[in-house]
Amino acid sequence: GAGVSQSPSNKVTEKGKDVELRCDPISGHTALYWYRQSLGQGLEFLIYFQGNSAPDKSGLPSDRFSAERTGGSVSTLTIQRTQQEDSAVYLCASSLVLGSYNEQFFGPGTRLTVL
Amino acid sequence: QKEVEQDPGPLSVPEGAIVSLNCTYSNSAFQYFMWYRQYSRKGPELLMYTYSSGNKEDGRFTAQVDKSSKYISLFIRDSQPSDSATYLCAMSEANAGNMLTFGGGTRLMVKP
Repeated sequence: GAGVSQSPSNKVTEKGKDVELRCDPISGHTALYWYRQSLGQGLEFLIYFQGNSAPDKSGLPSDRFSAERTGGSVSTLTIQRTQQEDSAVYLCASSLVLGSYNEQFFGPGTRLTVL
Repeated sequence: QKEVEQDPGPLSVPEGAIVSLNCTYSNSAFQYFMWYRQYSRKGPELLMYTYSSGNKEDGRFTAQVDKSSKYISLFIRDSQPSDSATYLCAMSEANAGNMLTFGGGTRLMVKP
């Protein structure tokens, strides 16, 4: 079946511009996560959506970062006024929520380069 | 100091070797321990997960967790060139939305 998809696969932008990154989770998965993977920092949690609950935004690095999830499915991560330190691979993952442990399935990521 | 520490490598081994990958952590609340494999320009894929302390085997892969030492390991037997990838350990607390805390990853190269 179809896995997690992300678009675009690559994005080059100029410092100060806004960008939107999209994630399509696996159909039926109620939980959705965004992570950032950068050199020197590894893979860091950004935000978590579960069903209709308020998202866990504890990993967002600044108020320039926001995310929404419409209709419990597709999610968009928005970075306003991009900075060079925002350059990274942004990964989305989704999971079913059946118990206390639920496997997260990752998408291929969006590689963001801020010039 | 990061919550999860992992030697970045690279680790280069000949085909057929036994590979040992390790992580240490500081958060005693971690209950679930995972190993992900990530090929270049791909997303991580789950290899194994274990709950609490103990060993778990799956084919050529064995995961070990020692909670008393806050130390986890992944062993790969009869390593193959196709095992060449970055291996990420990850951990989560129970009832925390399964938010994963990752190590920095170890790059493994298996030479034919």
